[in-house]
Amino acid sequence: ETGVTQSPTHLIKTRGQQVTLRCSSQSGHNTVSWYQQALGQGPQFIFQYYREEENGRGNFPPRFSGLQFPNYSSELNVNALELDDSALYLCASSLDPSGRGETQYFGPGTRLLVL
Amino acid sequence: KQEVTQIPAALSVPEGENLVLNCSFTDSAIYNLQWFRQDPGKGLTSLLLIQSSQREQTSGRLNASLDKSSGRSTLYIAASQPGDSATYLCAVGSNYQLIWGAGTKLIIKP
Repeated sequence: ETGVTQSPTHLIKTRGQQVTLRCSSQSGHNTVSWYQQALGQGPQFIFQYYREEENGRGNFPPRFSGLQFPNYSSELNVNALELDDSALYLCASSLDPSGRGETQYFGPGTRLLVL
Repeated sequence: KQEVTQIPAALSVPEGENLVLNCSFTDSAIYNLQWFRQDPGKGLTSLLLIQSSQREQTSGRLNASLDKSSGRSTLYIAASQPGDSATYLCAVGSNYQLIWGAGTKLIIKP
């Protein structure tokens, strides 16, 4: 059984560009959540995907979008990058989309730097 | 709107001491509360999950308590070791998302 994996590990982009981050969920997990963690802060919820549909969204603009595939892997896309998008992006998978049950399992993150 | 606060922001103690990290939240309508550990530049590792109906959970040298009515949780670390050095974050589970505190950066001095 493999854990949650994310790619790439690091990424440098310039303002205005677009970026795609990828996440493979833990085996058997049908729910993927994405979080943004700025330096020195706690993670902020971006959105959650459950069985290929967006199941909830935090306070992020529409230029943050996502996808979930039939194998439950997921992508986070960010358009028109801004300097403030520089952060660690974390993906988490779980079996329970409600959040009532077991914990979420986190990947190592993708560190994005926008210049 | 749920807000989660962690105090202190940083803590440095000698090896072997017992210590307590604090987490407070403003809305008691939660599913659960979790404590995570984050090592520099790394992802998050779940340490303990307390369901809203529970009062505490224990794992090895770690004990977490939850007082939902007062909006507080504590993480107790017994006999601290240098390997415990990390940032500890608490997160409240509510409506499919986790809402996080900013963390306590813990340094254990040998």
